[in-house]
Amino acid sequence: SQQGEEDPQALSIQEGENATMNCSYKTSINNLQWYRQNSGRGLVHLILIRSNEREKHSGRLRVTLDTSKKSSSLLITASRAADTASYFCATFRGGYSTLTFGKGTMLLVSP
Amino acid sequence: GAVVSQHPSWVICKSGTSVKIECRSLDFQATTMFWYRQFPKQSLMLMATSNEGSKATYEQGVEKDKFLINHASLTLSTLTVTSAHPEDSSFYICSAGRDRGLEETQYFGPGTRLLVL
Repeated sequence: SQQGEEDPQALSIQEGENATMNCSYKTSINNLQWYRQNSGRGLVHLILIRSNEREKHSGRLRVTLDTSKKSSSLLITASRAADTASYFCATFRGGYSTLTFGKGTMLLVSP
Repeated sequence: GAVVSQHPSWVICKSGTSVKIECRSLDFQATTMFWYRQFPKQSLMLMATSNEGSKATYEQGVEKDKFLINHASLTLSTLTVTSAHPEDSSFYICSAGRDRGLEETQYFGPGTRLLVL
């Protein structure tokens, strides 16, 4: 079953603006990951944040994790048209469990 | 590194035929491979997890006899949709993991779009 819930479901912004997507989950986790999917393609791993971490950066991406609220956010700064894609969070509980994906946020960045 | 390929990328077939999809890890040995199904504008639904040399573990509600998974080597897993019907039309994505039980980062193939007429 899907554990993660992203919001918003869809986000439309202009180039140069920041985009923030949120993800909530229900059970305890080992780590949380964000993936990106361009239309009709496979997923690309963006960033992983462990349960003992609160914030992580990678280029224009900033991810936060609040385990007390069971939520995470992905911030894309200075967005570009090429950032247009669907973004999914996925949680991993550890051991031999599998990744559980959220429903995703569709981001549209207009030139 | 960590490139996963899928073949074919597109399949159109008649109802009742079987379709085989291949998933290969090109530059690493995948201890585990995963098969997902994705409907338009929806999230990924895990169908099954396969480990090299052993039977696949199917998720609840996924028919084992309908979706045959073979994981013959550490670099190849195949999904066969048997006697495909229009409701099997979907986007099928495989992924491979290198660190089973550790951080579980998965590397995804580009997906296979199946259309059953």
